[in-house]
Amino acid sequence: KQEVTQIPAALSVPEGENLVLNCSFTDSAIYNLQWFRQDPGKGLTSLLLIQSSQREQTSGRLNASLDKSSGRSTLYIAASQPGDSATYLCAVQGGSEKLVFGKGTKLTVNP
Amino acid sequence: GAVVSQHPSRVICKSGTSVKIECRSLDFQATTMFWYRQFPKQSLMLMATSNEGSKATYEQGVEKDKFLINHASLTLSTLTVTSAHPEDSSFYICSARDRRARNWYEQYFGPGTRLTVT
Repeated sequence: KQEVTQIPAALSVPEGENLVLNCSFTDSAIYNLQWFRQDPGKGLTSLLLIQSSQREQTSGRLNASLDKSSGRSTLYIAASQPGDSATYLCAVQGGSEKLVFGKGTKLTVNP
Repeated sequence: GAVVSQHPSRVICKSGTSVKIECRSLDFQATTMFWYRQFPKQSLMLMATSNEGSKATYEQGVEKDKFLINHASLTLSTLTVTSAHPEDSSFYICSARDRRARNWYEQYFGPGTRLTVT
């Protein structure tokens, strides 16, 4: 059974700092890994999707890496802003459409 | 494009009553919709997968007679929580897959419904 763990559970940083969020998964037989953003009481916004054959994906100030063999992914956020404050979810997908999520990292960026 | 809506956004009901949550794809047709549940400080957990015109497939441990799913059209799926109990209080999120999507794995998420059972 696939399990996804995210560390840390919460993170508070001053504005402008670079930061890294971590995600690990137990079964390396994944098709892809996604990072989502969830704002309080709201749905999910897909940030980055990494196929199992890829090592990383970049979008603006966000960079996600994937080490499939070790079951790890990181989300790097450069020059953090207060607007980045949200919960970040990591999810993996095997051969089916089912997404298995971690519990998330709650990020607070202080002005 | 690819907007998914949910109604209501918040609902409070009394224990023992039933409540229906709607999930709509606004600008695309969804052959498949997914229902997730998220308890506080817990991960999103898939409850069931619904395909238009057929019975939903439930994940292990989810009671199909308690959580009734109907996917009667290509733009609407409903989740009915029957005989709700306080432990059913949770955040329910749906997602939908565009039947014309190039990639099978793409899902678009709704904003969620906060259910509180008193």
